[in-house]
Order: sequence, then structure tokens, then C-alpha cells
Amino acid sequence: DADVTQTPRNRITKTGKRIMLECSQTKGHDRMYWYRQDPGLGLRLIYYSFDVKDINKGEISDGYSVSRQAQAKFSLSLESAIPNQTALYFCATRDPRGEQFFGPGTRLTVL
Amino acid sequence: AQSVTQLGSHVSVSEGALVLLRCNYSSSVPPYLFWYVQYPNQGLQLLLKYTTGATLVKGINGFEAEFKKSETSFHLTKPSAHMSDAAEYFCAVSDRYGTDKLIFGTGTRLQVFP
Repeated sequence: DADVTQTPRNRITKTGKRIMLECSQTKGHDRMYWYRQDPGLGLRLIYYSFDVKDINKGEISDGYSVSRQAQAKFSLSLESAIPNQTALYFCATRDPRGEQFFGPGTRLTVL
Repeated sequence: AQSVTQLGSHVSVSEGALVLLRCNYSSSVPPYLFWYVQYPNQGLQLLLKYTTGATLVKGINGFEAEFKKSETSFHLTKPSAHMSDAAEYFCAVSDRYGTDKLIFGTGTRLQVFP
């Protein structure tokens, strides 16, 4: 089984809808991250969490919110989706040596 | 602030040829550096990393990279390309004295021709 899982893998939604992307990990890592990937822009950090009570904004947090329900779960929400939030979203965990482990990604399309 | 520049958004090589993907970084503190690979419709997989110690780092699938502080570079190489190496490659630097977040380059897509 994968160490970092994301659901759903693909989602098509309409402008204005609320969307939640979920991430679960079995690696036991405290630190978790949400990135978005856009062609030609690489990956950019949306939010990150050092533990359940420590959540921080990344470089592109506007329009997004997160919830760290437990050490193993870190959800990303789009309160009112807009077309320029169409992207590939990745969740990641970090081990104490600095390596990050990525989930398979969620492809989100906002019409 | 830290940053990463990957020169060349697309690189094409013939099977069996040398692969060279360029990465330059900017960091005010000693960096941790990473190369990740992304195969089509998949997540990112770590190829190799430099933290401390030996500056020539060997990774999976025959790749290696050399940390050159004087040139602020961390170029990725493989002596002989294989068709299965076709993928997108990302260089990243870790903000290890701050948030530990990864700062990624914009990626290089490697094509391998028979």
C-alpha cells in the first residue's frame, strides 16, 4: 500500500463549488505539505503543517484553507473554486532527514 | 530567500547518450538539494539528495549529481540514457533553517529518442 494517499485522484467541478482534497499518510511523519503544480511553473507551496496544532500559509494560500485532523490526515479545501485553480495538487510528508514523500496527486479541473 | 533555476525546460537525447540536466540554486545558508523525477500521471519520486559530506551523490537508476558550492550548481547526469528515463525532472532546495519547505525549479522534460 502507498505511504501517502490522496483522494480523489481526479475531480471536475464548477466555478463557485466547495471542494475538499484529502491526504492520508502511514509514514508517521509530523510534517505535511500541500503543493500545486502548473505547467512551466513547477510546484508551489500552498500550506504546510508541522503538527496537528501548527499550520502555516505557503506562498500561494489565497483561496485555499486546510485542516489537520490528525497526524495522519491533512485536507485542502477550496471554499469557492475558480477556473485558475485548475491544477495538479500534491500532498507530501517530510521525514526527519529532510526528504519529502509525495502522494500520487489530484488532478482538479474547475469549469 | 532561496531559489532554484533549471536551465532548459526541454532536453532531448538519443538512447545511450549522456544526460545532463542543469540546476543552479541561490541560498544564503548551506543548502540541502534534491532531484525528483515525475513520470507521466504519477507523483514525484526522489532520485537523489545532497545534505552534507561527499559532494558527488549517487541516486537511483544510474543518476548522479555533484554539488559545486563555488558554482552554486547541482547538475544531474547519467552516462547513458535509456528510453525509460523519459520524464520530467525537478531540482529543489530545502529551506532547512526555516520552514523545511521545498523550493522547486520549474522542471526539465527529458525526451529520449531511439
